[in-house]
Amino acid sequence: EIVLTQSPGTLSLSPGERATLSCRASQSVSSSYLAWYQQKPGQAPRLLMYGASSRATGIPDRFSGSGSGTDFTLTISRLEPEDFAVYYCQQYGSSYTFGQGTKLEIK
Amino acid sequence: EVQLVESGGGLVQPGGSLRLSCAASGFIFSKYSMNWVRQAPGKGLEWISYISSSSSAIYYADSVQGRFAISRDNAKNSLYLQMNSLRAEDTAVYYCARYGGYFDLWGRGTLVTVSS
Repeated sequence: EIVLTQSPGTLSLSPGERATLSCRASQSVSSSYLAWYQQKPGQAPRLLMYGASSRATGIPDRFSGSGSGTDFTLTISRLEPEDFAVYYCQQYGSSYTFGQGTKLEIK
Repeated sequence: EVQLVESGGGLVQPGGSLRLSCAASGFIFSKYSMNWVRQAPGKGLEWISYISSSSSAIYYADSVQGRFAISRDNAKNSLYLQMNSLRAEDTAVYYCARYGGYFDLWGRGTLVTVSS
């Protein structure tokens, strides 16, 4: 099983700042089958990125993804108030596993 | 509107059974594989089961293998999860999620509480 480790566990930033979230896999993720999801309290997860760097429908371009192999990054260029949430990475190349999540909170 | 709506959650005693349903609308359900994902209170996401569009391929996480059964009825645009031999650690919000290569559409979830 591919284990995904996200860092940091909690990220405290202010609106307008840049956020960088990391996701590291225990083994290579085939064909960059790596997705990112956003979850707000009491809501279902929402797909943000797939294929490591492709934005899902309706996702603003301040969100970007990068990486390959075992190291992946989600970047939010300028934080908006609605971006504060929990973010999960997921690999779907070998069964399906999620990272433990990064909580992005307002500083 | 494209959506998934789960139902069937509730309080059940340890060792009991429950059947969850997921109603799909707004898209051609029969063309998509589907999944169940759960989230224990205050915890992260855990994939638990997958079913292909024709039900020809079914997979389970080790944590539910032998106790849970996924199924679907394409004529009714519905996905199901039969949960048997429930344990306290099965307490979670259960989400159905559409598989378009990744999990591109999620329902709002249904809460299952296993407690005496």
